[in-house]
Amino acid sequence: QSVLTQPPSVSAAPGQKVTISCSGSSSNIGNNYVSWYQQLPGTAPKLLIYDNNKRPSGIPDRFSGSKSGTSATLGITGLQTGDEADYYCGTWDSSLSEGVFGTGTKVTVL
Amino acid sequence: EVQLVQSGAEVKKPGESLKISCKGSGYSFTSYWIGWVRQMPGKGLEWMGIIYPGDSDTRYSPSFQGQVTISADKSISTAYLQWSSLKASDTAMYYCARSQRASDLFSAFDIWGQGTMVTVSS
Repeated sequence: QSVLTQPPSVSAAPGQKVTISCSGSSSNIGNNYVSWYQQLPGTAPKLLIYDNNKRPSGIPDRFSGSKSGTSATLGITGLQTGDEADYYCGTWDSSLSEGVFGTGTKVTVL
Repeated sequence: EVQLVQSGAEVKKPGESLKISCKGSGYSFTSYWIGWVRQMPGKGLEWMGIIYPGDSDTRYSPSFQGQVTISADKSISTAYLQWSSLKASDTAMYYCARSQRASDLFSAFDIWGQGTMVTVSS
């Protein structure tokens, strides 16, 4: 089981906002950068956010990331049907000496 | 274009060996860590291990240490994931992914391969 905990699912209507939490500890989120990935059905994951809050080129500013203590949050505003996907947080765990991913959150657009 | 292209789907029997590949192009293959990620059917992402092709420095998740071998051939810009004796529980999609920053073990994965589906069944 993952050391990073996310809610199994979140949902909202088109145009609304959702937030996804990622809870960890001092050995992972608390002392390392957090990244976020989007996995559309049947495709490989795609990097959405790196270094807690930075967006790679081509990622719209509807996606945002933040970190506070041992938790991180992904925000998606102006929700679109194309945003329906699984979202994962990721970071390094200094105690385990390995990379870790969150449990994953399915976003549904109502 | 920076990309990682993985080998095709595999169907194997329990006990058989397997080596899947991940070929990088469009960047300096030796300068970026390449990681492997498992996704079992209907499940989440699992970090398996990572290799630095420049010097073959390799780190494994304790969960996968001894179960798989990660290697790289920098002469052909290709990383590998191999099993000596497959089990039904190895059935999964396997992704390779590149670290975002050169030489930075801890950076995010910015480029992903398309995935290799491995099915192990008698």
